[in-house]
Amino acid sequence: GENVEQHPSTLSVQEGDSAVIKCTYSDSASNYFPWYKQELGKGPQLIIDIRSNVGEKKDQRIAVTLNKTAKHFSLHITETQPEDSAVYFCAASMRNAGNMLTFGGGTRLMVKP
Amino acid sequence: GAVVSQHPSWVICKSGTSVKIECRSLDFQATTMFWYRQFPKQSLMLMATSNEGSKATYEQGVEKDKFLINHASLTLSTLTVTSAHPEDSSFYICSARDLGRNNNQPQHFGDGTRLSIL
Repeated sequence: GENVEQHPSTLSVQEGDSAVIKCTYSDSASNYFPWYKQELGKGPQLIIDIRSNVGEKKDQRIAVTLNKTAKHFSLHITETQPEDSAVYFCAASMRNAGNMLTFGGGTRLMVKP
Repeated sequence: GAVVSQHPSWVICKSGTSVKIECRSLDFQATTMFWYRQFPKQSLMLMATSNEGSKATYEQGVEKDKFLINHASLTLSTLTVTSAHPEDSSFYICSARDLGRNNNQPQHFGDGTRLSIL
């Protein structure tokens, strides 16, 4: 089955700096890669996703890049703000977006004011 | 749009009690819902896939007689933890996807249920 590795497990940045979280996946059949933000005591919220037919997607301060050959994808957050502090999860899925998601281990992001 | 509501958000009960958790898609129909379990500071682990009108598909190592799933309508799935014990204490989260538009919609998550068994 699919295996998703996520690094780093914790990340501390100064407000205004950029944060980068990286994930690798094992199954080349995976074609959908969402990123979720989870705040304390809440469920994960989808923040951005990318499909295997594109290499990069951007939404304001958030961007995701995908390298299918190397089987890795990354989340980039620019101009970080304290409210960006949360746990971020990457995930991978095969065939379409509604199929079973395999999650990475999560990254706890702390943005220091 | 694409709101998933989960109830209750928090429950504390005695060992041996059965607990039912509801997952509802509020503004869309969901033929498939997913149930996850999350321990503190860990990732989400898929427990089972709930299909409307049919039996759930359980992941390896998840006891189907312990975690009963019912998906009787296109907007409601329930997870019942039967005869709960302290080791069942965890954060249970459901997700659903909207099939109303196409077959490629993302999963949307509820806010989870924190279950504490004394």
